[in-house]
Amino acid sequence: NAGVTQTPKFRVLKTGQSMTLLCAQDMNHEYMYWYRQDPGMGLRLIHYSVGEGTTAKGEVPDGYNVSRLKKQNFLLGLESAAPSQTSVYFCASSYSTRDRGKYEQYFGPGTRLTVT
Amino acid sequence: EDQVTQSPEALRLQEGESSSLNCSYTVSGLRGLFWYRQDPGKGPEFLFTLYSAGEEKEKERLKATLTKKESFLHITAPKPEDSATYLCAVQARSGGSNYKLTFGKGTLLTVNP
Repeated sequence: NAGVTQTPKFRVLKTGQSMTLLCAQDMNHEYMYWYRQDPGMGLRLIHYSVGEGTTAKGEVPDGYNVSRLKKQNFLLGLESAAPSQTSVYFCASSYSTRDRGKYEQYFGPGTRLTVT
Repeated sequence: EDQVTQSPEALRLQEGESSSLNCSYTVSGLRGLFWYRQDPGKGPEFLFTLYSAGEEKEKERLKATLTKKESFLHITAPKPEDSATYLCAVQARSGGSNYKLTFGKGTLLTVNP
């Protein structure tokens, strides 16, 4: 199993450009998440999904949109990139919280995004 | 609001010198406390889940323990390959937020040969 994969690994954008980050998981997890990690801030949740076709906002959702058209994929979009969105983005997945004892989230390798 | 505080921010050890990392937390009903390891340029790697006070988990040189207010990650006779940032996170039991992990800022561990 590949686990959680993310593409691309690196990207440089100019202010105002758009892009989509792709996350894929092969563990048949119901839940998927997007986090950003900034120095001194820790990991913060952007958006999450509890199943195919459903998404919800996390703690820092402004400037981002997401879609989950297939159970194994979760897309993060930036419609008009800003320098404040320079960060490392991590996707994660987990079983449904209904599955006792399997609440841990498994993370992808990350996408390093720079907005100039 | 759930909070996680990790200490120290950085720890430098000699190979074989045992020590502990601390994770203090406040949460409205703990569902689980999680420890992750993160190497530079990589995603967090899951280590342990602890569910209730008194629980302990072990993996190689690492042992995680949990009380009602804090968790410790004990590292016994560390090796240079244990060098990484160790992250602690909590998940609350209550209501619609039971999906969310609240992370601490991590402890950067360096083990010198």
